[in-house]
Amino acid sequence: QVQIQQWGAGLVKPSETLSLTCGVDAESFRGYFWSWVRQPPGKGLEWIGQINHSGSTYYNPSLKSRATISADTSTNQFSLKLNSATAADTAIYFCVRWGSRTPGFDYWGQGTRVTVSS
Amino acid sequence: DIQMTQSPSYLSASVGDRVTITCQASQGVRHYLNWYQQKPGKAPNLLIYEASNLETGVPSRFSGSGFGTNFTFTINSLQPEDIATYYCQQYENMPLTFGGGTKVDFK
Repeated sequence: QVQIQQWGAGLVKPSETLSLTCGVDAESFRGYFWSWVRQPPGKGLEWIGQINHSGSTYYNPSLKSRATISADTSTNQFSLKLNSATAADTAIYFCVRWGSRTPGFDYWGQGTRVTVSS
Repeated sequence: DIQMTQSPSYLSASVGDRVTITCQASQGVRHYLNWYQQKPGKAPNLLIYEASNLETGVPSRFSGSGFGTNFTFTINSLQPEDIATYYCQQYENMPLTFGGGTKVDFK
């Protein structure tokens, strides 16, 4: 069973940086693509971007270059930073694994609720 | 970006009913289409991958079909535990995109 833990600030002020981290067990981290997906209250799912264990990233252009995903292979953690936060960034943020045997998001973190408000 | 359009956005059905959800892509995605189930307060769960393949452990009453731009997700004999929102998701092109969701509820 893949162990995923995510954490980060639940309240962010407008214009500041939203910061979240996801920790994964070592066996599950390497060789996979890891993504961040968010869900605004009462709305659907939006893919933010992905990283693999070698540090290659791809971002959703809708975030207008505000997102940065990084990984620390020594601790099996990866992080999301979203700068210039606005109320539109209020959402539940999930860290998610893209499977190798099954091409889909097969393991999800528990989700972190982030509110952008002064 | 590839836009994914699901319909209906909401449906109500009875236990034992057959439920069908459609997902249309704005351009062809071949068979690179997944379906997820999300229950309230929970993370989504992968049910179907590559349009028609059942993920391990998923009951056989769930099925998917389609290719290109038009896809169908079916629940044969709706069960109480199937009350949830269902999402399609394409992975033909980046960025990965989801449909808007279909909420399934009981009549």
